[in-house]
Amino acid sequence: GENVEQHPSTLSVQEGDSAVIKCTYSDSASNYFPWYKQELGKGPQLIIDIRSNVGEKKDQRIAVTLNKTAKHFSLHITETQPEDSAVYFCAASKGTGANNLFFGTGTRLTVIP
Amino acid sequence: ETGVTQTPRHLVMGMTNKKSLKCEQHLGHNAMYWYKQSAKKPLELMFVYNFKEQTENNSVPSRFSPECPNSSHLFLHLHTLQPEDSALYLCASSQPGELGDIQYFGAGTRLSVL
Repeated sequence: GENVEQHPSTLSVQEGDSAVIKCTYSDSASNYFPWYKQELGKGPQLIIDIRSNVGEKKDQRIAVTLNKTAKHFSLHITETQPEDSAVYFCAASKGTGANNLFFGTGTRLTVIP
Repeated sequence: ETGVTQTPRHLVMGMTNKKSLKCEQHLGHNAMYWYKQSAKKPLELMFVYNFKEQTENNSVPSRFSPECPNSSHLFLHLHTLQPEDSALYLCASSQPGELGDIQYFGAGTRLSVL
């Protein structure tokens, strides 16, 4: 089955700096890579996703890059704000329909004001 | 909110109790999922229902019993649980099809087994 590894497990940055979280996956058939943000007391919320037919996707201050050859993808947050503090999860899946998402272990991001 | 509602939000139960977790989605989706979230571990998929049919049982112990009476509701029945079953239980839904891999999560039920 798929194995997703995520680093780092914790990350602290100063407000305004950038944050980068990296994930690797093992199954070359995976073609969908979402990123979820989980705030305290809430479930994971999708913040951005990328499919294997593109190498980069951007939405305001967040961007995701995908390297299919190396089987890794990354989340980039620029101009971080205190409200970006949360746990971030990467995931991978393949195909469509009711699918299994394989999650990383999460990164706790703290943005220091 | 995400359109996926879980109740109760918190539950404390003894090992001999029987309780149920409820999930309801208002998104018109046809696939629903149960996940277990423990500290410092990836989210663990437990069960998948697709059009009310169970399509995945990820080697979950029989003390967890899912029920999906219709596409909008999902239950997780609990009995004779162990302390190591204490975790956050998350429900999610998706719509099978071209974007079927986008899952929407509820806020979860925080379960403590004493």
